[in-house]
Amino acid sequence: AQKVTQAQTEISVVEKEDVTLDCVYETRDTTYYLFWYKQPPSGELVFLIRRNSFDEQNEISGRYSWNFQKSTSSFNFTITASQVVDSAVYFCALSGINFGNEKLTFGTGTRLTIIP
Amino acid sequence: DVKVTQSSRYLVKRTGEKVFLECVQDMDHENMFWYRQDPGLGLRLIYFSYDVKMKEKGDIPEGYSVSREKKERFSLILESASTNQTSMYLCASSLDWPGTDTQYFGPGTRLTVL
Repeated sequence: AQKVTQAQTEISVVEKEDVTLDCVYETRDTTYYLFWYKQPPSGELVFLIRRNSFDEQNEISGRYSWNFQKSTSSFNFTITASQVVDSAVYFCALSGINFGNEKLTFGTGTRLTIIP
Repeated sequence: DVKVTQSSRYLVKRTGEKVFLECVQDMDHENMFWYRQDPGLGLRLIYFSYDVKMKEKGDIPEGYSVSREKKERFSLILESASTNQTSMYLCASSLDWPGTDTQYFGPGTRLTVL
């Protein structure tokens, strides 16, 4: 069975601080995909990134960066110079490519509050 | 841009009522999904569909059914609503095999059952 753990239930930081959201996953598949979604107060889940298990390169997109470490089964998300608009619930998710494991397994989410 | 729409943002129903939640996507996606979201539990898959008239049970299908008569539309049905079905319901769609492709979500329907 696949599992995603987001141990940080809530995080609060002051605006302009950097913040890292942790994601640890479990899977028996050798090929799998990892995702991050953002859910602002409006409620819609917004796709942020998809990464496959063979690509361990870190990725940077503006103030967002992702650190994928297969050795520790982690896919952490860092926001640099946080802004109030970053306040949201963030979900990490995992899917395998084989039938039966293809469904998205979500973590329980981390609520991030940026204090002005 | 992918657009997934849901018929209502907020819905209030009474126990025992039949409830229909509608989801429409405009990108000719093959796959559609219904999730419910509850505090502390994340998102849990109720039902999904890989093609018209096809449906598969997710992790928590009890008390729900679905209908997919057209490719772009996926309906979630609560045959007899109960208070424990008060939740946020999210619809999603994806183009290719779900294990590899990104799911795009609608704005959600917050359902309250009194």
